[in-house]
Amino acid sequence: KNQVEQSPQSLIILEGKNCTLQCNYTVSPFSNLRWYKQDTGRGPVSLTIMTFSENTKSNGRYTATLDADTKQSSLHITASQLSDSASYICVVSFPGGSYIPTFGRGTSLIVHP
Amino acid sequence: EAGVTQFPSHSVIEKGQTVTLRCDPISGHDNLYWYRRVMGKEIKFLLHFVKESKQDESGMPNNRFLAERTGGTYSTLKVQPAELEDSGVYFCASSRLGGLLGTDTQYFGPGTRLTVL
Repeated sequence: KNQVEQSPQSLIILEGKNCTLQCNYTVSPFSNLRWYKQDTGRGPVSLTIMTFSENTKSNGRYTATLDADTKQSSLHITASQLSDSASYICVVSFPGGSYIPTFGRGTSLIVHP
Repeated sequence: EAGVTQFPSHSVIEKGQTVTLRCDPISGHDNLYWYRRVMGKEIKFLLHFVKESKQDESGMPNNRFLAERTGGTYSTLKVQPAELEDSGVYFCASSRLGGLLGTDTQYFGPGTRLTVL
């Protein structure tokens, strides 16, 4: 079982609507949690980075939250656009020299006009 | 500023052959990472360079994989001999040195899709 589980696996929404993606992790302790956006055929692009002591971080229409007690994170997308169609990946890193990351499998988001 | 580049974008080889993947990080980035995504699975960490030194190679699958970073600039990842299970997308990422609690932003390349037949 993966230590980083994301839900839903896929999601379809209409343009302009909001949505929330979930990430549950069992990695403990951890040093930071990241959300990435990955377009088809491209590498992941960093959206937000939170340390274990932070509970929210925003980047434009993207807002990530973190509850270290329940080991849950959410990525909220506001007023979705067609360009938001992509895979969203949650990554949790262990403390240590390389902060080795553990990736979730991602949520595939499709935004329809 | 140029992003992380990887070469080739695709490679199709036969089992037993050798393949070398190349990654050029963003200029001035001391940290360089290799990752791999096998079809249907999550991306997994392979190894981490700080300049020319291997900081952590705990994710390397076996001794058929050899990574180098000559002079702390570009990096190569050689697979010799390649096996069917080595198929996947290999990503490279780079970041500047530092960042509290490992929070330096990593910039990913587009990946190399390797197919072993």
